[in-house]
Amino acid sequence: GDSVTQMEGPVTLSEEAFLTINCTYTATGYPSLFWYVQYPGEGLQLLLKATKADDKGSNKGFEATYRKETTSFHLEKGSVQVSDSAVYFCALSGGSQGNLIFGKGTKLSVKP
Amino acid sequence: NAGVTQTPKFQVLKTGQSMTLQCAQDMNHNSMYWYRQDPGMGLRLIYYSASEGTTDKGEVPNGYNVSRLNKREFSLRLESAAPSQTSVYFCASSEAWGWNEQFFGPGTRLTVL
Repeated sequence: GDSVTQMEGPVTLSEEAFLTINCTYTATGYPSLFWYVQYPGEGLQLLLKATKADDKGSNKGFEATYRKETTSFHLEKGSVQVSDSAVYFCALSGGSQGNLIFGKGTKLSVKP
Repeated sequence: NAGVTQTPKFQVLKTGQSMTLQCAQDMNHNSMYWYRQDPGMGLRLIYYSASEGTTDKGEVPNGYNVSRLNKREFSLRLESAAPSQTSVYFCASSEAWGWNEQFFGPGTRLTVL
């Protein structure tokens, strides 16, 4: 079945460091891909999305490109801030039950 | 525009007790979902409602029931709570079933003793 694999955390960075969180997927068909962010004690918020190959999603300085040839959707940010500390989930759409299929999440901590 | 709302935010139950988690959305979405989030497991689908009047089982439906009360509301019921149901429960909605982004509520943190 469809699945998402993302890098294990936690990831700890200093402020202004470069961030990459790896995400790869297995899917039949042509899913849409998403990154969601969960701040402490809150629900999931959509961070960015891409609906077809070579699309780049971007928001709040975060970017991810839908790479069909490598089945990847890596999240990047050039300069992280303390306020970016959260859990990040990669997900794909088109599950057989209409659901999003999530990776296990990567916890990011940014130190001043 | 509140988006997706859930009640309660926190709940503690004893084994065998029952309760209903409430969810409502004000975005006129057709599809609604219940997920549970457990450490190291990501989110797993419990039940979903592709459209008003329909409900179907997800990946982990055992021990739960749902009701799509109307287009706005989708409730999740635990008839006889078990410690294995200790989790954070999220309701989500989307414009249509299958391919769209989903919007999530703030979650209900449930502990079963």
